Amino acid sequence: EDKVVQSPLSLVVHEGDTVTLNCSYEVTNFRSLLWYKQEKKAPTFLFMLTSSGIEKKSGRLSSILDKKELFSILNITATQTGDSAVYLCAVTSSNTGKLIFGQGTTLQVKP
Amino acid sequence: GAGVSQSPSNKVTEKGKDVELRCDPISGHTALYWYRQSLGQGLEFLIYFQGNSAPDKSGLPSDRFSAERTGGSVSTLTIQRTQQEDSAVYLCASSFDRRSSYEQYFGPGTRLTVT
Repeated sequence: EDKVVQSPLSLVVHEGDTVTLNCSYEVTNFRSLLWYKQEKKAPTFLFMLTSSGIEKKSGRLSSILDKKELFSILNITATQTGDSAVYLCAVTSSNTGKLIFGQGTTLQVKP
Repeated sequence: GAGVSQSPSNKVTEKGKDVELRCDPISGHTALYWYRQSLGQGLEFLIYFQGNSAPDKSGLPSDRFSAERTGGSVSTLTIQRTQQEDSAVYLCASSFDRRSSYEQYFGPGTRLTVT
């Protein structure tokens, strides 16, 4: 059965800290791995990763994929209170493009 | 441009009633997905549309759930004879094309509460 596991499930840090969120997966016919940030209802897209070893960056956020070890990490440097959210990892497989989500990591950044 | 929109934003219904949830995808997006997020849970795939057809309905939890899409645009998710376990946030997402991009853009969701 396809599955995505994220760790830790929750994390509390202080502003300025650096955090690393983990995502491991087992899925047949892997196509891509995506990271989303969910603050209220709608998850907002962060990154899509398809190739191993190529880091994607957007400001203080970065992510990388390891297709051999079947995992990805999401790094956030110099965290701010606005980074507080649930971070969701998802993978796509087969031809439908449906997303298979992990449980999410709840990040709280304290002032 | 306009993003994915969903209506209603909140719906409270009595057990046993039918409900309809609506999704308007981003204009030009041919692929449309429905997901469900129960309290404290991750997102769970329900059904996928490519145009007006649904090649993958594998996530629909029971035959009380159905969905349709018309004109390659608006989609409606219908839940018949609602049960308390149907209470969740129902999220819709769309993408330009399932082959060219898997960047799915989500709507704000409909929070369904069955009393």
